[in-house]
Parts: sequence; structure tokens; C-alpha cells
Amino acid sequence: SAVISQKPSRDICQRGTSLTIQCQVDSQVTMMFWYRQQPGQSLTLIATANQGSEATYESGFVIDKFPISRPNLTFSTLTVSNMSPEDSSIYLCSAELAGAYTQYFGPGTRLTVL
Amino acid sequence: SQQGEEDPQALSIQEGENATMNCSYKTSINNLQWYRQNSGRGLVHLILIRSNEREKHSGRLRVTLDTSKKSSSLLITASRAADTASYFCATDQGAQKLVFGQGTRLTINP
Repeated sequence: SAVISQKPSRDICQRGTSLTIQCQVDSQVTMMFWYRQQPGQSLTLIATANQGSEATYESGFVIDKFPISRPNLTFSTLTVSNMSPEDSSIYLCSAELAGAYTQYFGPGTRLTVL
Repeated sequence: SQQGEEDPQALSIQEGENATMNCSYKTSINNLQWYRQNSGRGLVHLILIRSNEREKHSGRLRVTLDTSKKSSSLLITASRAADTASYFCATDQGAQKLVFGQGTRLTINP
């Protein structure tokens, strides 16, 4: 299994600002992902974080709004840019170990935008 | 995305009873996974069942998969108060990307 940490665990931000969320994995992983969970909803995949190259975004999500970095195998960041109250959600990163087919999730970052 | 459906959306039972949750999906899959989430925290992986498997057990959990009906069920036996959580199914439809169902909110009453 893998242990995944996220920072910050929660934040309250003002409209128009940006927040960067960090995700650290304690094992060598192949794939890393970022999800959004809006209040009372299920999880929606934002993008696949690719090491050393641009992330692969799902329909409805764009790089300008959610820039993602993955400088090495075990670390990734997600930035929520120019925030509005509609961005208030839990943001979760996940990672898949080589050959495991199982995704392990971080504890999430609870974001509130005022 | 082809998000799955789960039913019931909410389930409330007495401690010691069994809880069954169902999940349906729309496209072919590589595997199906079940996760638990406590009070908006991170997800805990419960069990993975591959598309060529029909049933899998882990402790008090039993998962079935019927690919002809594109459905799965999660059974929790002898429920405990600590099982109170939201349960999500997620299908791997390729490229290791998971598509999550809407979830079942399970409440175990003491």
C-alpha cells in the first residue's frame, strides 16, 4: 500500500486568489491523479499528473484554471486559480503503485472560497 | 464521463444487520473497486474485483460482479457503528482512470 499526504488539509480563501495543494507519496508510484468532490457529491477526475510533462485534463477542466505539476515520481501539486465560491470543494490526490491497479487516496484538502 | 449509479442513495440499519449496496455502470471495465469515505475525508480502498472475477471476500465484506448486467454489489455482514460512512464504487474503464458512482450513505444505528 501507499501513504499519501496532502497540504494544506483545509483553507479558506478569498475570491480571485489562488491556492496550491501539495501531494506527497511515500512509495514509488506510476500514476498520480487529482479529483474534485463538490459538497454532497461524488468524485470527479480533474486530470492525470504526468511526470515531467503536461498533465492530461478531463473534459470540463483546463490547465489555466487547474495547473498541475509533477516534478518527480512521488510529488505533485494542483493549483486552483482565480478562485470563485463555485470552487469550494474537497480536492483529493491519488496514486497507483506499479502493477497494483489500486488507487490510494490522500486525506483531501477542504477548500472554502468566500 | 459515464458515471455509475448506486442504490440505495442512503441506507439506515441496526447494528448487527447486514448491509447491501448496489452499483451499476454503463461501459466495459477492467476492474471495479469499492471505497469508503468517512465524513468528507479521504477515501479508503476496500476491495478490487477484476472483470473476470465473479465474487470476492475480504473479512466482513463480500463483493459480486456481474459483467453481463454491468452491476456489482457490496455486502457488509454483521454491521458495526464504525461502518457508518459513504461507500463508492469506481470503475476502471481504461488508462487507470476511475469513474465513481454517486455513493451510498450508510448509517448504522446502535
